[in-house]
Amino acid sequence: NAGVTQTPKFRILKIGQSMTLQCAQDMNHNYMYWYRQDPGMGLKLIYYSVGAGITDKGEVPNGYNVSRSTTEDFPLRLELAAPSQTSVYFCASSYNGGSNQPQHFGDGTRLSIL
Amino acid sequence: AQKVTQAQTEISVVEKEDVTLDCVYETRDTTYYLFWYKQPPSGELVFLIRRNSFDEQNEISGRYSWNFQKSTSSFNFTITASQVVDSAVYFCALSEAGYSTLTFGKGTMLLVSP
Repeated sequence: NAGVTQTPKFRILKIGQSMTLQCAQDMNHNYMYWYRQDPGMGLKLIYYSVGAGITDKGEVPNGYNVSRSTTEDFPLRLELAAPSQTSVYFCASSYNGGSNQPQHFGDGTRLSIL
Repeated sequence: AQKVTQAQTEISVVEKEDVTLDCVYETRDTTYYLFWYKQPPSGELVFLIRRNSFDEQNEISGRYSWNFQKSTSSFNFTITASQVVDSAVYFCALSEAGYSTLTFGKGTMLLVSP
């Protein structure tokens, strides 16, 4: 029962470096999401996808890019890491994306930009 | 625009006390869904409950209960006879009909001491 798998769990980047946060789900869910969680601020939506080949911006998309080439994978890319992107990143998925569907979350990636 | 407010930033109780976590929401839709998630110290997000806007019945699951009141736009969560394992950050979230994305509150950190 893997569910939603995020890699890596921890990462330290230098300012200006780039990296890709990986997210994979094995539940055949159509909808996938990326959130960031800052201390005391709850979760904010970065990007989401309603299916392979379709992505859309969330509340805080600047500085990030996503792609969805398969149903299973939804990577998040940081092109030029900035200290403001230090955060915990969560990937989530839901079956059909209906507003009544609970989202299932990965364990998160803790990212520090120094 | 939708909004979720969890006014209690942190609550500390002693084991076996009852505790209520408040959640107030704003939405213009008549059809919407409310969720509670738990984030224990290990960091993962665990889905607890979903409630739709047409079902105002209170729900009880073991020591957990939820009180949904449309008249006050509130969806409060009560833990009866709290235990140390209940220590976590609890998030309330809202999804409007036709939208797959969630709007989260900032969370309430519950500390249960022995």
